[in-house]
Amino acid sequence: SYVLTQPPSVSVAPGKTARITCGGNNIGDKTVHWYQQKPGQAPVLVIYYDTDRPSGIPERFSGSNSGNTATLTISRVEAGDEADYYCQMWDGSSDHVLFGGGTKVTVL
Amino acid sequence: EVQLVESGGGLVKPGGSLRLSCAASGFAFSEAWMNWVRQAPGKGLEWVGRVKTKTDGGATDYAAPVKGRFTISRDDSKNTLYLQMLSLKTEDTAVYYCATDPSYGDYGDYWGQGTLVTVSS
Repeated sequence: SYVLTQPPSVSVAPGKTARITCGGNNIGDKTVHWYQQKPGQAPVLVIYYDTDRPSGIPERFSGSNSGNTATLTISRVEAGDEADYYCQMWDGSSDHVLFGGGTKVTVL
Repeated sequence: EVQLVESGGGLVKPGGSLRLSCAASGFAFSEAWMNWVRQAPGKGLEWVGRVKTKTDGGATDYAAPVKGRFTISRDDSKNTLYLQMLSLKTEDTAVYYCATDPSYGDYGDYWGQGTLVTVSS
């Protein structure tokens, strides 16, 4: 079965860039979305269809997807970006949907 | 104001059944693919399943752990999404969220507050 691999944690200093990876076999051929979840809250979509940003999400959030890795990049990290981040893969040919295990982003 | 309000959660014994509802308002519910996503205590997100719009055929898809036990349906006349859960197992214990699918992302990303389902004897 298909597996999405995320690093359990990423630490970053304020003002720096955080990169969160989501690995999967030929994930570049599939569609990837990214969610942010803060403690006690429902998730929030921050990137959809690999690179699109929903209304209200800062331009500091960007996404890419190629080969075996999709990446969420958070530029100029702020304290408010501290959260769990989940990638979600949709295989349009099979309608198979899967979440990665999540990455906890800590702002130092 | 957009709202997704889940209801129907609670305590149920293993082997039992439960039906969750998700009442939507403030957006074009009939035009959105809808998902159920769950989160076990202290764990990550797990996709449960999805129903497409009637326009897109109304098809449903399910994650392997729930396929054959859970059924997703929608009533666009009532702006309500349902999750019928049968043969519940202890590992189904989680907060269950209803949410719009990312395919609706151009119009918005909406989630309910979640409802807790506890499967225990």
